[in-house]
Amino acid sequence: GQNIDQPTEMTATEGAIVQINCTYQTSGFNGLFWYQQHAGEAPTFLSYNVLDGLEEKGRFSSFLSRSKGYSYLLLKELQMKDSASYLCAVRVEENRDDKIIFGKGTRLHILP
Amino acid sequence: NAGVTQTPKFQVLKTGQSMTLQCAQDMNHEYMSWYRQDPGMGLRLIHYSVGAGITDQGEVPNGYNVSRSTTEDFPLRLLSAAPSQTSVYFCASSYEDWRGGYNEQFFGPGTRLTVL
Repeated sequence: GQNIDQPTEMTATEGAIVQINCTYQTSGFNGLFWYQQHAGEAPTFLSYNVLDGLEEKGRFSSFLSRSKGYSYLLLKELQMKDSASYLCAVRVEENRDDKIIFGKGTRLHILP
Repeated sequence: NAGVTQTPKFQVLKTGQSMTLQCAQDMNHEYMSWYRQDPGMGLRLIHYSVGAGITDQGEVPNGYNVSRSTTEDFPLRLLSAAPSQTSVYFCASSYEDWRGGYNEQFFGPGTRLTVL
């Protein structure tokens, strides 16, 4: 089966740094995504990692270790608008087709 | 580009009724998918499609049918609605990148369905 784990909730302070972890146990792993979802809205894409290492995009960075089945999303210089859920998703190959499955998401609360 | 559109935005059904949730995209994406989102459960994959004429089951396909007669449209049918299908439904589309796999998904605004 496929399993993706991430913390349910986290709290951080405006201006600080926070790291959201994601671990996965899947077969046919082909890449990992991070999405942001504000309450009542659709998810929006943040990052995509296929190879091991760090991908940086402005205040957001994402890291992947395929051998450890582990990823993290790093958010720097936190702003109040970063209060949202962060969804880890894994692309898996099954029957020669790719499908994308999500973890349950981490709700991030930013305190002033 | 309108992106991914979903209709209706809200729907209330009675148990046993059937209906179709519409999803369309104008980005010529080959990959389309349907998810449901329930509190504390994240996004769960219902069905997906890698191109016109091809569909496959996701994690929670029971009670739902899909078809993909065109690249643009990917409707989701509820055959006989049940209260357990009360949820927010998201449709998404994606394109194949140079590595041969599907890249970021673009999501529609969602349909909020209540089954009484």
